[in-house]
Amino acid sequence: VQLVESGGGLVQPGGSLRLSCAASGFTFSSYWMSWVRQAPGKGLEWVANIKQDGSAKYYVDSVKGRFTISRDNTKNSMYLQMDSLGAEDTAVYYCAREGALSFWGQGTLVTVSS
Amino acid sequence: DIQMTQSPSAMSASVGDRVTITCRASQGISNYLAWFQQKPGKVPKRLIYAASSLQSGVPSRFSGSGSGTEFTLTIGSLQPEDFATYYCLQSNSYPFTFGGGTKVEIK
Repeated sequence: VQLVESGGGLVQPGGSLRLSCAASGFTFSSYWMSWVRQAPGKGLEWVANIKQDGSAKYYVDSVKGRFTISRDNTKNSMYLQMDSLGAEDTAVYYCAREGALSFWGQGTLVTVSS
Repeated sequence: DIQMTQSPSAMSASVGDRVTITCRASQGISNYLAWFQQKPGKVPKRLIYAASSLQSGVPSRFSGSGSGTEFTLTIGSLQPEDFATYYCLQSNSYPFTFGGGTKVEIK
């Protein structure tokens, strides 16, 4: 099982960023997938997850209306579109397999700063 | 939202000690509880799922118990590589929520 995140970087407040998670080593289309974040020096925060076929999506309240989770099973990939970013969104973003987070990627750092 | 309260938030222990970490849910979550270990600068690793099932490859000194609102992670005999921060996660209802973490340090 391998999960590789990409797309992080420095973005100005109010800006947008799209994270990607490339999966390999398992049947991607058979699993729920999740995003989790960790602000510098802080604990873990569950962000969102998406059902196998993309028909169900759930978010933490703090990102509802700003973040959109999606997936492309033909590309074994999951995405997180992040809009209206604020300093509070600065974190390492991890993708993880399943709702109970059995495997994690290495993470990608998102920094929101002017 | 379901609040997950971990205790203690930090502790000091010696190699060979038996360590117990508790996670309390603000409402019943059946057995939808997982435990994770995170070492500094590293990716979190799942240790326990479904409250008491040991993740493949995880040493048997780790065990989990509980159901409903109170859960426990036990390390039977603390090893040097176990010094880390531990988190619980409830996946019973949305939004999923983590506990605040327990940092296990060397005494």
